[in-house]
Amino acid sequence: GQNIDQPTEMTATEGAIVQINCTYQTSGFNGLFWYQQHAGEAPTFLSYNVLDGLEEKGRFSSFLSRSKGYSYLLLKELQMKDSASYLCAVKDSNYQLIWGAGTKLIIKP
Amino acid sequence: GAVVSQHPSRVICKSGTSVKIECRSLDFQATTMFWYRQFPKKSLMLMATSNEGSKATYEQGVEKDKFLINHASLTLSTLTVTSAHPEDSSFYICSASGDGDSGNTIYFGEGSWLTVV
Repeated sequence: GQNIDQPTEMTATEGAIVQINCTYQTSGFNGLFWYQQHAGEAPTFLSYNVLDGLEEKGRFSSFLSRSKGYSYLLLKELQMKDSASYLCAVKDSNYQLIWGAGTKLIIKP
Repeated sequence: GAVVSQHPSRVICKSGTSVKIECRSLDFQATTMFWYRQFPKKSLMLMATSNEGSKATYEQGVEKDKFLINHASLTLSTLTVTSAHPEDSSFYICSASGDGDSGNTIYFGEGSWLTVV
């Protein structure tokens, strides 16, 4: 079966760095997405990786290793507004999105 | 950037009535739109995939006759919850991908909170 694994919840301190991991087992791979979702709102796009390596976009970076079926989202200089759920999703061989359950990130002052 | 607009953002309806939710792509042609349902503190659950001009493809366990999806144009898809019941109360989200971005970016609507009383 297809599976996306992420930690359920993480806690970090304002100003610090946090890494949210995502491992996947899917039938084929056509890209990995990270989305941010605040409570009661729709997800917003953060990043897309299809090749191995690190993609940096401001305070957020996303890494992919296709051979390991692994990705992480790195958030630097954490702000209170970064408290949200972070969803990892993989597009499989049929170009269907397989979603992880999301990681709830709690930022403490 | 591309924008997907969803309406209404919140709706309350009586049990047994039908509710229509609209999803519009505002500045791109959405060849494919997706409808999701999300329960509190849960991840997105794909309900169906709709392609313009053809019948929607429903995920296993989703009732086609209850959740009617119409994708009549390249900028509009609608989800109609028919004969709604309290258990249909949920957060419904649409998303769309277009031709111009090779489908690598998927844009979400704002979501619609449905409460059936």
